[in-house]
Amino acid sequence: NAGVTQTPKFRILKIGQSMTLQCAQDMNHNYMYWYRQDPGMGLKLIYYSVGAGITDKGEVPNGYNVSRSTTEDFPLRLELAAPSQTSVYFCASSGDRVVLLGEKLFFGSGTQLSVL
Amino acid sequence: DQQVKQNSPSLSVQEGRISILNCDYTNSMFDYFLWYKKYPAEGPTFLISISSIKDKNEDGRFTVFLNKSAKHLSLHIVPSQPGDSAVYFCAASSNGNNRKLIWGLGTSLAVNP
Repeated sequence: NAGVTQTPKFRILKIGQSMTLQCAQDMNHNYMYWYRQDPGMGLKLIYYSVGAGITDKGEVPNGYNVSRSTTEDFPLRLELAAPSQTSVYFCASSGDRVVLLGEKLFFGSGTQLSVL
Repeated sequence: DQQVKQNSPSLSVQEGRISILNCDYTNSMFDYFLWYKKYPAEGPTFLISISSIKDKNEDGRFTVFLNKSAKHLSLHIVPSQPGDSAVYFCAASSNGNNRKLIWGLGTSLAVNP
């Protein structure tokens, strides 16, 4: 069982370039999330999705776009990359928001992105 | 404004001893708390959680204590093992923010043989 798979693991972009970070999960989870983690910082939510065709902004959405055409895939698009987007990006999924019991997230192994 | 605070960036303990990782929060609406563990070059993995209706939750060597009046929780690892060396993140959620997790900055634990 692969869980949450992210590609690529590493990428270097030049300022102004665009790219898509791929995320796929095979657990049939409805909820998927994109986080970024800057050095010495906690995780910040970029975008999330509660199901196919439904996405919403998190804390730090500027400079990013997402789509959710299938339950399995949740790609993150960077348009016009900037040095401020240098970070480690984590995709995660959860089976149910479980309102009373909180969330348990399953994370991918991350994408290290550098914008130079 | 950091709503979830882990004031100790790092902690070092001897193998076999107790590790205590602390977390403070400011939002009284938080009603569910989780600890995640992260090894280098890997994503975080869920460790243990606690609801605000409880003050203690135990899972093997890991126990989380919640003090709502102090808005403080702690993670106890007994006995500590070298494989516990990782970064530990505290996270909190509430109905008011649609259950989105708010994360602390993490504490790096080193367990020395």
